[in-house]
Amino acid sequence: GQQVMQIPQYQHVQEGEDFTTYCNSSTTLSNIQWYKQRPGGHPVFLIQLVKSGEVKKQKRLTFQFGEAKKNSSLHITATQTTDVGTYFCAGGYTGGFKTIFGAGTRLFVKA
Amino acid sequence: EPEVTQTPSHQVTQMGQEVILRCVPISNHLYFYWYRQILGQKVEFLVSFYNNEISEKSEIFDDQFSVERPDGSNFTLKIRSTKLEDSAMYFCASRPLGTGYTGELFFGEGSRLTVL
Repeated sequence: GQQVMQIPQYQHVQEGEDFTTYCNSSTTLSNIQWYKQRPGGHPVFLIQLVKSGEVKKQKRLTFQFGEAKKNSSLHITATQTTDVGTYFCAGGYTGGFKTIFGAGTRLFVKA
Repeated sequence: EPEVTQTPSHQVTQMGQEVILRCVPISNHLYFYWYRQILGQKVEFLVSFYNNEISEKSEIFDDQFSVERPDGSNFTLKIRSTKLEDSAMYFCASRPLGTGYTGELFFGEGSRLTVL
């Protein structure tokens, strides 16, 4: 079946350090989405990538979609304490009705 | 800004009891979902609902679960006979016009279910 794997599970960084989380699908994706969940909160949409090799930026966040549309990454430059939370990738597959979430990477930022 | 609303925010129930979780999706959205998240774990797909019927469901969504959209606004998840392992946060989500597998998912704040 369709699965989305995400690593690492946890990441502790010092404020100002960079952070990257990686996502991999067992089968070709139609699109990849990224969500952020603050502790005690609900997932909040960050971005969607649909094209092979696509790169999108949102301020300090850079999102990439692999050429084969099976993997993706989120990179945060110079983390801030406001970046804490869990980052989920989530994949959509052509013809389906669901978005499948990765296990998430929980980011801890030490001031 | 329109939002997905869920009630109750927290429900405590005894094992074997029936539970109904309610959601009001964003009004012009067409695709509706239930996801669950066991504490600290991944967000798991349960079911999608489109055009007044289930469009896809996961293996978690067995005969104990059902969904309804009784009046064109509410979207409910019923668990007929709760088990301890049903304890989780249940998120309702909706998606606007488009396809069922692309586009932003708008999540509600969740209903925490505790089964004793």
